[in-house]
Amino acid sequence: QQQVKQSPQSLIVQKGGISIINCAYENTAFDYFPWYQQFPGKGPALLIAIRPDVSEKKEGRFTISFNKSAKQFSLHIMDSQPGDSATYFCEGTSYGKLTFGQGTILTVHP
Amino acid sequence: NAGVTQTPKFQVLKTGQSMTLQCAQDMNHNSMYWYRQDPGMGLRLIYYSASEGTTDKGEVPNGYNVSRLNKREFSLRLESAAPSQTSVYFCASRRTGSHEQYFGPGTRLTVT
Repeated sequence: QQQVKQSPQSLIVQKGGISIINCAYENTAFDYFPWYQQFPGKGPALLIAIRPDVSEKKEGRFTISFNKSAKQFSLHIMDSQPGDSATYFCEGTSYGKLTFGQGTILTVHP
Repeated sequence: NAGVTQTPKFQVLKTGQSMTLQCAQDMNHNSMYWYRQDPGMGLRLIYYSASEGTTDKGEVPNGYNVSRLNKREFSLRLESAAPSQTSVYFCASRRTGSHEQYFGPGTRLTVT
């Protein structure tokens, strides 16, 4: 049962460009929407997160946009850098349990 | 402060063999989790422990057992390994009141 659907599966962006990853969820019990970043050979680490009562959250070059009525949210990476190349997961959280999207492999070319 | 540690890093098993994956955290977190990561599937929850002495099934518990040995340690056991259990396994922990989970470096398991 895939409750969080993520797209695209892979994304190639030039340095300085904007990376956009989209997610859609089904479970209205989710009360927290984090994005995790994972580098090869490492475990995921929290990048940025948003609560459903907020429509946008920005931290540096990373912005989450949240549309509660459409049950969709997205991650925007401005001025993408080669060091941003990683796998990104969107998630929904309910009662402390994470439900992961399928992941997006981001490659930023110099 | 090591965070979440996992052993071993790599393991190859033959079908039918058993093994235990070890996880420990030094952050005094109450909740601990075991996930498996497969290509195109994201991470899927196997088992979790909300506090010392309690364990609950996640999305894909079949073929696995867990033990919350104490507050620090949470182990995952494969009693009779199958090729379908070839995956990367991650342990995570979470402080009560926080949504953030802290992940270990993972164990890459191959079952032949």
